[in-house]
Amino acid sequence: AQTVTQSQPEMSVQEAETVTLSCTYDTSESDYYLFWYKQPPSRQMILVIRQEAYKQQNATENRFSVNFQKAAKSFSLKISDSQLGDAAMYFCAYRSAGSGTYKYIFGTGTRLKVLA
Amino acid sequence: DTAVSQTPKYLVTQMGNDKSIKCEQNLGHDTMYWYKQDSKKFLKIMFSYNNKELIINETVPNRFSPKSPDKAHLNLHINSLELGDSAVYFCASSSYRGMDGYTFGSGTRLTVV
Repeated sequence: AQTVTQSQPEMSVQEAETVTLSCTYDTSESDYYLFWYKQPPSRQMILVIRQEAYKQQNATENRFSVNFQKAAKSFSLKISDSQLGDAAMYFCAYRSAGSGTYKYIFGTGTRLKVLA
Repeated sequence: DTAVSQTPKYLVTQMGNDKSIKCEQNLGHDTMYWYKQDSKKFLKIMFSYNNKELIINETVPNRFSPKSPDKAHLNLHINSLELGDSAVYFCASSSYRGMDGYTFGSGTRLTVV
């Protein structure tokens, strides 16, 4: 069974600085999808970024980018120019690409604090 | 326009009661899900429906029963509520198989007293 590990329960970053959140996963599959979700205090889960395992190019969405290392099974999220609104729980998620497998497996989350 | 709406947002009830949470999506998605987020923020899937067909049924007490009258609605009924059922329940939807990501509702915080 696949597992997703986020080893940093909590991180802090100064406003305007850069921070990297770690995520590792365990799978025997070669094709899958990886996601980062943000959960601010409002509780709403928001998709931040998505990566397809068969694409070598790292995904980027504005200030958010990933470092996808397939061989190392690592999928870290980099937030550049951190803003106060980035403060939230961040969840890494894995989804098998196999047919009939619809569920996401989530990590335990990293709480990000942004310091003014 | 709310894409995935859940009602109610908060639910406080006594042990032994029966309650329902409703979910509706207006995105035209084929697949809907129920996830449970516990007090440690861990998210785990409970159920998933694709075009009204149950496709994921994780190990969940049979006191929990999902119902999907059509592909835009997925409700969750819970019988004989227990203290351990207290959690945040999220509804989500996706296009077929969720490869592009989920759209989540805002969650229902259920507190059983």
